[in-house]
Amino acid sequence: SAVISQKPSRDICQRGTSLTIQCQVDSQVTMMFWYRQQPGQSLTLIATANQGSEATYESGFVIDKFPISRPNLTFSTLTVSNMSPEDSSIYLCSANGGAETQYFGPGTRLLVL
Amino acid sequence: QKEVEQDPGPLSVPEGAIVSLNCTYSNSAFQYFMWYRQYSRKGPELLMYTYSSGNKEDGRFTAQVDKSSKYISLFIRDSQPSDSATYLCAMRSNAGGTSYGKLTFGQGTILTVHP
Repeated sequence: SAVISQKPSRDICQRGTSLTIQCQVDSQVTMMFWYRQQPGQSLTLIATANQGSEATYESGFVIDKFPISRPNLTFSTLTVSNMSPEDSSIYLCSANGGAETQYFGPGTRLLVL
Repeated sequence: QKEVEQDPGPLSVPEGAIVSLNCTYSNSAFQYFMWYRQYSRKGPELLMYTYSSGNKEDGRFTAQVDKSSKYISLFIRDSQPSDSATYLCAMRSNAGGTSYGKLTFGQGTILTVHP
């Protein structure tokens, strides 16, 4: 299984600012994913990040709001831009483990004031 | 209608009980089924993964899939207080292209096992 770390683990931000979340995997993986989990809710996929290509965004999520980078096979970043209180959530990074499964990082807890 | 439906609970059982967690789905393209456990303030942890109808056992955990009924279950035997967590079912299809690898999650069931 892949071991995934995220930075920061939590942050409190002012509205209108941006935060970049880093995700590091301990092995090379082809696919990385970014999810949002609002309090007491399930996981919603934001986008899929493949190395060497543009991220693929799910309905309701746009690149201007959530730009993603995937510079190599072990690292990705998600930026939450021009934040509002509605962006307060847990942001989770995952990576494919073998062909069929995904492993998750511990999450970044974001509070926007 | 959501593609994956999961009873959110909460579910409270005494230690040693058998727990049954269930999900139904509507998308017949789903072929791979997973159960994740999520402790408070942690990321989801993969518990079980299966892709065929029938049962798969791992220690105290049994994953059951019935593709004809579009129904999956996770059974926990001899439940322990350390099993108290949110359990999420997740599934994916064989789709390629931009949908490759995409997981669809249930809402999660909050389980509490009390001593």
